[in-house]
Amino acid sequence: DAGVIQSPRHEVTEMGQEVTLRCKPISGHNSLFWYRQTMMRGLELLIYFNNNVPIDDSGMPEDRFSAKMPNASFSTLKIQPSEPRDSAVYFCASSRKFGYTFGSGTRLTVV
Amino acid sequence: QQPVQSPQAVILREGEDAVINCSSSKALYSVHWYRQKHGEAPVFLMILLKGGEQKGHDKISASFNEKKQQSSLYLTASQLSYSGTYFCGTDQNVPYNQGGKLIFGQGTELSVKP
Repeated sequence: DAGVIQSPRHEVTEMGQEVTLRCKPISGHNSLFWYRQTMMRGLELLIYFNNNVPIDDSGMPEDRFSAKMPNASFSTLKIQPSEPRDSAVYFCASSRKFGYTFGSGTRLTVV
Repeated sequence: QQPVQSPQAVILREGEDAVINCSSSKALYSVHWYRQKHGEAPVFLMILLKGGEQKGHDKISASFNEKKQQSSLYLTASQLSYSGTYFCGTDQNVPYNQGGKLIFGQGTELSVKP
């Protein structure tokens, strides 16, 4: 079991650029979650999917953020255009019965 | 709504005990506990379900008071490896195992010193 795989691990980009974060959930897990973690706001849920269908995107901060899950083994979180306040660690997590398994996260820095 | 954790931080000596609390203003279906070490991802510790069932860690215990919407995590005879930030996560409107989501508290930073 390779766990939840996120890429890239680190991303530094300039303000205004498009950023795409990727996630491969654990095989057999039917729920996928995108969280953002900052010192000020802690772990915030952005969006989650059940069986590849978006269920709740109320945590997505602005229209600049979008997420897709085209199949059970892949999801993306896109920020376009990126802004310095988007700097954070973005975690993807997947779940089947109980307990979330988190990926290692993507540390995004927007300069 | 985000659950509230207390204390925000605690420092222990090895072998000492600690209690971390988590409370919600909304009715809960379950409470989940995670530990995050610096620079790493949160790791699942345990889940407490309505009715008293627990699943998870065998060296850390917890309680769930459904009526008060509160949970407590008990760390006994702490070890250096217990250091990290502890988060509780709660599902409020839809049970987590019926397609619901977890909202996490702000975290409690635990430092265990030798």
